[in-house]
Amino acid sequence: DAGITQSPRHKVTETGTPVTLRCHQTENHRYMYWYRQDPGHGLRLIHYSYGVKDTDKGEVSDGYSVSRSKTEDFLLTLESATSSQTSVYFCAIMEDSNQPQHFGDGTRLSIL
Amino acid sequence: KNQVEQSPQSLIILEGKNCTLQCNYTVSPFSNLRWYKQDTGRGPVSLTIMTFSENTKSNGRYTATLDADTKQSSLHITASQLSDSASYICVVSATGNTPLVFGKGTRLSVIA
Repeated sequence: DAGITQSPRHKVTETGTPVTLRCHQTENHRYMYWYRQDPGHGLRLIHYSYGVKDTDKGEVSDGYSVSRSKTEDFLLTLESATSSQTSVYFCAIMEDSNQPQHFGDGTRLSIL
Repeated sequence: KNQVEQSPQSLIILEGKNCTLQCNYTVSPFSNLRWYKQDTGRGPVSLTIMTFSENTKSNGRYTATLDADTKQSSLHITASQLSDSASYICVVSATGNTPLVFGKGTRLSVIA
């Protein structure tokens, strides 16, 4: 398995609280991604990074921010969590555009 | 708009039978097409990646085909096993740093 770890794996929190999810890789891959997966929607891109401090928005970026200060870490922050952000969040890494993405095992986030 | 459409949405087959999943895309300029398998509760795992010049690629009992002219791909599963029960996701990459475009997946159930 590719060296990619998501933390926490499960989290329950209340509406209005900030939440930070962490993705850590040991592969030194350039690209990192955050997706959310909901029934009926498949995987949807939130934000992605193509290098340290180089990030861009995906199709569902509202309410989310990211930071990548080191190659190995990509943080996803929900600034003020809402119930609509209840989802399973996947991090992925990719070495270059012709290589496969490797996914973490996901974080199940519930916002009450 | 870059899109990936998969069919059928779901499929049930008997163990030992073959099946074919379809993927149509409108992503441009095309770089490569990927098929992923996602088991319930896990992150997707790469099965194949095909570039413009590749028509067929196999990974064990999985064979993917690509017709770049008609912008269609298929994933053929031979002699299905119960462990093939999963969602199969078609993903298309455009050139440059643009994010990957995901289909919503086909949910395959293999029954005894």
